[in-house]
Amino acid sequence: AQKITQTQPGMFVQEKEAVTLDCTYDTSDPSYGLFWYKQPSSGEMIFLIYQGSYDQQNATEGRYSLNFQKARKSANLVISASQLGDSAMYFCAMREPLGGTGGGNKLTFGTGTQLKVEL
Amino acid sequence: NAGVMQNPRHLVRRRGQEARLRCSPMKGHSHVYWYRQLPEEGLKFMVYLQKENIIDESGMPKERFSAEFPKEGPSILRIQQVVRGDSAAYFCASSPLGRLNTEAFFGQGTRLTVV
Repeated sequence: AQKITQTQPGMFVQEKEAVTLDCTYDTSDPSYGLFWYKQPSSGEMIFLIYQGSYDQQNATEGRYSLNFQKARKSANLVISASQLGDSAMYFCAMREPLGGTGGGNKLTFGTGTQLKVEL
Repeated sequence: NAGVMQNPRHLVRRRGQEARLRCSPMKGHSHVYWYRQLPEEGLKFMVYLQKENIIDESGMPKERFSAEFPKEGPSILRIQQVVRGDSAAYFCASSPLGRLNTEAFFGQGTRLTVV
């Protein structure tokens, strides 16, 4: 079963408009973390925002905010006032235990959403 | 995040050669994670290491792939006898503890091309 689902392979948004990128997740662990990353065409993974499962408030970082709906298991990324430089691939990821005897965690990634910002 | 350093950025190998990818964690971090990104896909976990120990390698292919994190020096991901299917971007992340914290940073990745 998919742990992280991003249902939008591609999205278009006009410059200066807001856009929401969808992410749903599946876990039975009460303690988890949700991350969003931006991957521009140059290829690096840029950390954007983090939401912990016990956080009461939705996370915000500048123009990025995370619409966290725990009961629905969704963690959508909202980008306000889109800029041309926001055009990139966006990945949602969930931190979950590795489950082995050594402990530790890993990030499980969705398949990504390609965002294109237009004039 | 520039704090996690990977080199080389790009690596071209012929089929059958060995590829060695290096990752220097952020200062003070003793835990390293390697991920692989195949074309058009998200990152997939490969291995988790602490200094001198492999903690979890559940995501590593069973053959030809190995990883180490020596007491001194960077973590190394080694791929022996590379094949075309190994062409991918390889990323590492580091943390001070075994828990990826609220800001999990990756290096800039190594793009391996097998010709």
